[in-house]
Amino acid sequence: GDSVTQMEGPVTLSEEAFLTINCTYTATGYPSLFWYVQYPGEGLQLLLKATKADDKGSNKGFEATYRKETTSFHLEKGSVQVSDSAVYFCALSDGSSNTGKLIFGQGTTLQVKP
Amino acid sequence: DTGVSQNPRHKITKRGQNVTFRCDPISEHNRLYWYRQTLGQGPEFLTYFQNEAQLEKSRLLSDRFSAERPKGSFSTLEIQRTEQGDSAMYLCASRQPGTGGFGANVLTFGAGSRLTVL
Repeated sequence: GDSVTQMEGPVTLSEEAFLTINCTYTATGYPSLFWYVQYPGEGLQLLLKATKADDKGSNKGFEATYRKETTSFHLEKGSVQVSDSAVYFCALSDGSSNTGKLIFGQGTTLQVKP
Repeated sequence: DTGVSQNPRHKITKRGQNVTFRCDPISEHNRLYWYRQTLGQGPEFLTYFQNEAQLEKSRLLSDRFSAERPKGSFSTLEIQRTEQGDSAMYLCASRQPGTGGFGANVLTFGAGSRLTVL
């Protein structure tokens, strides 16, 4: 079945460092890809999405490009801030049906130190 | 738009007791989803509704679990005869109709209901 694999964390960076969180997927059909972020004590929030190959999703300085050839959707940010500390989840939608349900990776914890 | 609301936020119960969680989705969202998240893991799909119809249930949803959405608005998730393995965060999400734009066809999540079974 469809699945998502993320790099293991925690990822610890200094403020203003470059961030990459790797995400690869296995899917039949043509899924949409998402990054969600979960701050402590809060629900998951959509960070960005891409709906087809070569699309780039971007939001709040974060970017990810839908790479069909490598089945990847890596999350990047040029300069992280302490406020970016959170758990990041890569997810895909079921592209072979119209259920709208998401399949998530296991999450990657990011800790940014001042 | 007050977002997706879940209650209670925390529930501590003894093994064997029944618990019920409630989810109030965003009013214009016709699809509602339940997920379970255990510590250090990503959310796992349990079930979803379109209006009042329950259209899919995961294998994770044992016969001790039942979900309803009687009037196509709020939903309840009941767990009977709770076990320690049921301890998790139960997440509810609703889906915006596909009208285009950043928020189209994405799930909006509530803050979750944390269950601890002693």
